[in-house]
Amino acid sequence: AQSVTQLGSHVSVSEGALVLLRCNYSSSVPPYLFWYVQYPNQGLQLLLKYTSAATLVKGINGFEAEFKKSETSFHLTKPSAHMSDAAEYFCAVSEGTGGFKTIFGAGTRLFVKA
Amino acid sequence: DTGVSQDPRHKITKRGQNVTFRCDPISEHNRLYWYRQTLGQGPEFLTYFQNEAQLEKSRLLSDRFSAERPKGSFSTLEIQRTEQGDSAMYLCASGTRGVNEKLFFGSGTQLSVL
Repeated sequence: AQSVTQLGSHVSVSEGALVLLRCNYSSSVPPYLFWYVQYPNQGLQLLLKYTSAATLVKGINGFEAEFKKSETSFHLTKPSAHMSDAAEYFCAVSEGTGGFKTIFGAGTRLFVKA
Repeated sequence: DTGVSQDPRHKITKRGQNVTFRCDPISEHNRLYWYRQTLGQGPEFLTYFQNEAQLEKSRLLSDRFSAERPKGSFSTLEIQRTEQGDSAMYLCASGTRGVNEKLFFGSGTQLSVL
């Protein structure tokens, strides 16, 4: 069975600082891994997706994530936080294509201080 | 690409009443998904359609819930005899079949059952 654990329900960083949002997964088969962002009163937007082509995945808005099989992790990073990055971030795992097989983590709310 | 639209954005109802939500997916997308999101949690899969066929249903979807997608275009999600535990954000997403499937989410319908 699949599962996703996001470490830290809230993360606060200063503007310009490194953003690190942690995600660990469990999957019985090589997984597809995703990061989504949700701004207030909006739906989820895909930031990036891992499909085994490359372990370091670059996404939109300067975010990237590295797949580490040995650690079963898929942490999201951004070198320099911007105020507009403040949002809720969801890590998700899927054992196949199709949203019905996608399991979402509980989310991490990112706060960016001026 | 006008995005996925959901209607209404908010719905307040009394316990025991029936409610219906509508989702209009991106026109060329043949897959449509319904998710439920409660406060502090990630989206949970409810059901999905490939064109007009409902192919998967989560066990979260009790008998009080029914979804349709006539003609493979828009979809409706009906909840009968609402309960306070049904209060949540109901998200719709659409995508295209394939290994590069990308989900596009609507802004959701926030249901409050009093």
